[in-house]
Amino acid sequence: GAVVSQHPSWVICKSGTSVKIECRSLDFQATTMFWYRQFPKQSLMLMATSNEGSKATYEQGVEKDKFLINHASLTLSTLTVTSAHPEDSSFYICSATKNNEQFFGPGTRLTVL
Amino acid sequence: GNSVTQMEGPVTLSEEAFLTINCTYTATGYPSLFWYVQYPGEGLQLLLKATKADDKGSNKGFEATYRKETTSFHLEKGSVQVSDSAVYFCARSNTGNQFYFGTGTSLTVIP
Repeated sequence: GAVVSQHPSWVICKSGTSVKIECRSLDFQATTMFWYRQFPKQSLMLMATSNEGSKATYEQGVEKDKFLINHASLTLSTLTVTSAHPEDSSFYICSATKNNEQFFGPGTRLTVL
Repeated sequence: GNSVTQMEGPVTLSEEAFLTINCTYTATGYPSLFWYVQYPGEGLQLLLKATKADDKGSNKGFEATYRKETTSFHLEKGSVQVSDSAVYFCARSNTGNQFYFGTGTSLTVIP
């Protein structure tokens, strides 16, 4: 298998602040990573595709200026929720591809007060 | 478009009952199909997958067959256990490895 980690596992922040979430592939390199969000009792929704060394590709309806994605190395992608508001509270999950199989991180629970 | 329609839950079954969770998809081309499971407090885990028509994915007693003619990938298990209690997600991927998930079906198995 392969391991994808996320940090932090949970974070609480005040409204208006920015929060950075890291996604790492621990034992493999990933040129592409994906970011999802999951609302309570709902499915995962693909937010964006993170491409190493280039701009992320965002799904329709996802604000790229709100959710900044940086994929600076082959093992790290970061998602920054800028000027967070309570409606951004959610479970954020990343994934990475290895040998055509998708491996998901454990998720980050964001709560915006 | 890219969508996955999954049977709504929650589903409650007695131990050793037969399980079916329906899943249908819409897609252009030939997507790969997956079932993921999310146990309480844990992340998504791949349960099984099928990459082409008529393929059958199987794992831990669960099975699903890729039916192109009905665009379906229904999950089945002949005899569920309490430990199978979890949320099950049907998903499809495109050639870019982007995943599109169904809404999830919560399964509770009671002794």
